[in-house]
Amino acid sequence: KQEVTQIPAALSVPEGENLVLNCSFTDSAIYNLQWFRQDPGKGLTSLLLIQSSQREQTSGRLNASLDKSSGRSTLYIAASQPGDSATYLCAVPGAGTALIFGKGTTLSVSS
Amino acid sequence: NAGVTQTPKFRILKIGQSMTLQCTQDMNHNYMYWYRQDPGMGLKLIYYSVGAGITDKGEVPNGYNVSRSTTEDFPLRLELAAPSQTSVYFCASRARDAEQYFGPGTRLTVT
Repeated sequence: KQEVTQIPAALSVPEGENLVLNCSFTDSAIYNLQWFRQDPGKGLTSLLLIQSSQREQTSGRLNASLDKSSGRSTLYIAASQPGDSATYLCAVPGAGTALIFGKGTTLSVSS
Repeated sequence: NAGVTQTPKFRILKIGQSMTLQCTQDMNHNYMYWYRQDPGMGLKLIYYSVGAGITDKGEVPNGYNVSRSTTEDFPLRLELAAPSQTSVYFCASRARDAEQYFGPGTRLTVT
C-alpha cells in the first residue's frame, strides 16, 4: 500500500532564507507527483506536477525534483517571503486514479 | 472558467439529518473525486468517478453516496449524518494523467 511521508511536519524560517521540503513515498511505480499549497481555511492550490519522465519542474521561485528510484521528491523554495507561509502537501497517484497525500509541512516565514 | 465550484461553503447539521454537497467543474474533466480532510489526518478519498455514469468507493465511503449523471456534476450525499462526519470536504477533478484541481471546500459540522 502506497504511503507518503513529509518531513518536517513544521518549519519556521526568517524571510529571505532558501529552504527544502521533503516528501517520500513507499511505492516507486508512480507516473507523476504533485505538490500543493494550502492556506488556512482554504482549498488546495496546485503548485507543480512532475511527470515520471521528468526529474525537475520549476515555477518562479519554486523548484521540485523527483527521484523515483529512491522514492523521494523535494520542493525547493528560494528567497522565502512571509506570503509563502502555508501548508505544503505532496501527493502521488494511488489505486483508482485518486491521489494519496502526505500530511503536509506547515511553513512559517517571519519578516 | 470557474474551475471547480462547491456549495455550500459552510453547513451545520443535526445528527440524523441528510444533505447533498454540490460539486461542479467546467473543464470537461472525466475524473472527479471527493475527499475529506480532518485535522492531523490528511486527506482521505471518499468516492471517485472516471466518467459520467461510473463511480467507485474510495478509502472511507461509509455513510456517503454519490452519483455522476453528467460530466460536470458530482454531488455527494450524506444520509443520517453522524458527528464522525464533521470534516472539511473537498471536490477535485482532472483530465487523464494531468494535475488535479480542487474546489474551495465545504466545512460541515454535525451536532
